[in-house]
Amino acid sequence: QKEVEQDPGPLSVPEGAIVSLNCTYSNSAFQYFMWYRQYSRKGPELLMYTYSSGNKEDGRFTAQVDKSSKYISLFIRDSQPSDSATYLCAMSRGSQGNLIFGKGTKLSVKP
Amino acid sequence: EPEVTQTPSHQVTQMGQEVILRCVPISNHLYFYWYRQILGQKVEFLVSFYNNEISEKSEIFDDQFSVERPDGSNFTLKIRSTKLEDSAMYFCASSEFGTGGNTIYFGEGSWLTVV
Repeated sequence: QKEVEQDPGPLSVPEGAIVSLNCTYSNSAFQYFMWYRQYSRKGPELLMYTYSSGNKEDGRFTAQVDKSSKYISLFIRDSQPSDSATYLCAMSRGSQGNLIFGKGTKLSVKP
Repeated sequence: EPEVTQTPSHQVTQMGQEVILRCVPISNHLYFYWYRQILGQKVEFLVSFYNNEISEKSEIFDDQFSVERPDGSNFTLKIRSTKLEDSAMYFCASSEFGTGGNTIYFGEGSWLTVV
């Protein structure tokens, strides 16, 4: 079983839709969970960072972590064409910057 | 907004040649990292660096790789004898603190093509 699994998509939604992106993981030692956005041939840009289980909201973005199910989610409300990008989940055991990434889900928001 | 800058943005090199990728981390950051992303694959951790020494490295970071902070602003990744499979986007990253998943900022990447 891969350490972090993420559906690569592609996922296409109409503008204004609610988007749900998910990752599962196998290592119960992960404590820190992040979502990055990556545009083509660019560096990952941090969107959300969550420690342990729970929810975190930032504007149109909500991150959820369910450690009991080893499942994390990112919700995007009122999606915009500018949200079109690849979304990467990443997690860490707490070591020095060794982030384990998912493969990324490519999202396209159509006007 | 402060950013991590990387040079070159793209480099083509012949197999067996040495390559140095350069990075200027965010100025008040103390922890530095290199990641790579082979086309179509995951972003993978290579190495973390703090207080002028490697604090963690992955299996990918073998003897052909080395990192250095030659002065107060630059952070470099050297690949001694490049192989075809080293072709990838290499990302430099930095963070203010090292523990946990604190905010790690990535540069735009250096695309390395080995021919």
